[in-house]
Amino acid sequence: RKEVEQDPGPFNVPEGATVAFNCTYSNSASQSFFWYRQDCRKEPKLLMSVYSSGNEDGRFTAQLNRASQYISLLIRDSKLSDSATYLCVVNGGSYIPTFGRGTSLIVHP
Amino acid sequence: DAGVTQSPTHLIKTRGQQVTLRCSPKSGHDTVSWYQQALGQGPQFIFQYYEEEERQRGNFPDRFSGHQFPNYSSELNVNALLLGDSALYLCASSLRPAESFLYGYTFGSGTRLTVV
Repeated sequence: RKEVEQDPGPFNVPEGATVAFNCTYSNSASQSFFWYRQDCRKEPKLLMSVYSSGNEDGRFTAQLNRASQYISLLIRDSKLSDSATYLCVVNGGSYIPTFGRGTSLIVHP
Repeated sequence: DAGVTQSPTHLIKTRGQQVTLRCSPKSGHDTVSWYQQALGQGPQFIFQYYEEEERQRGNFPDRFSGHQFPNYSSELNVNALLLGDSALYLCASSLRPAESFLYGYTFGSGTRLTVV
């Protein structure tokens, strides 16, 4: 089993839709979690941290489920500009983040 | 506030050649990590430099080596290039290794290496 697994998609949704991505991780001792956004042929950019209590930033909500070892990202009222690849990142305690392969989101008019 | 800068942005090399990629961390950051991102994949950790020493290393062969200078900038060297080394090479900086654990990374825009 890979350390961090994501459905590569693509998720193809209309503007205004709500879409959710999950990411599973194998190391139960993992301590910190992030979502990054990566536009085509660009560098990853930190989108948000994921806390045990959940984390909301505008239209974006991230949650952590330690019992089932997954994190999620919910995007409400999708915009065309949300089209990107969303990378899940997990820190297993070695201070070296492990990246998933990313989930591709395409928002169409 | 200067972000992470990498050079060159693009590079084409021939199999068997050697390449050096450069990274200057974000102002105030002292830790540099290098990642390789193949097309359609997530970034894979190569190694991390802190206080001019390699602190941790991922599952990459010895052909991949690096260096960190007193001003915190860093180089990634790859010897005996293979076609499979073609990828986007990303540099990420943070304040001490532990900070990325808490706050995540700041990435440079990367160097796209093509090996022909």
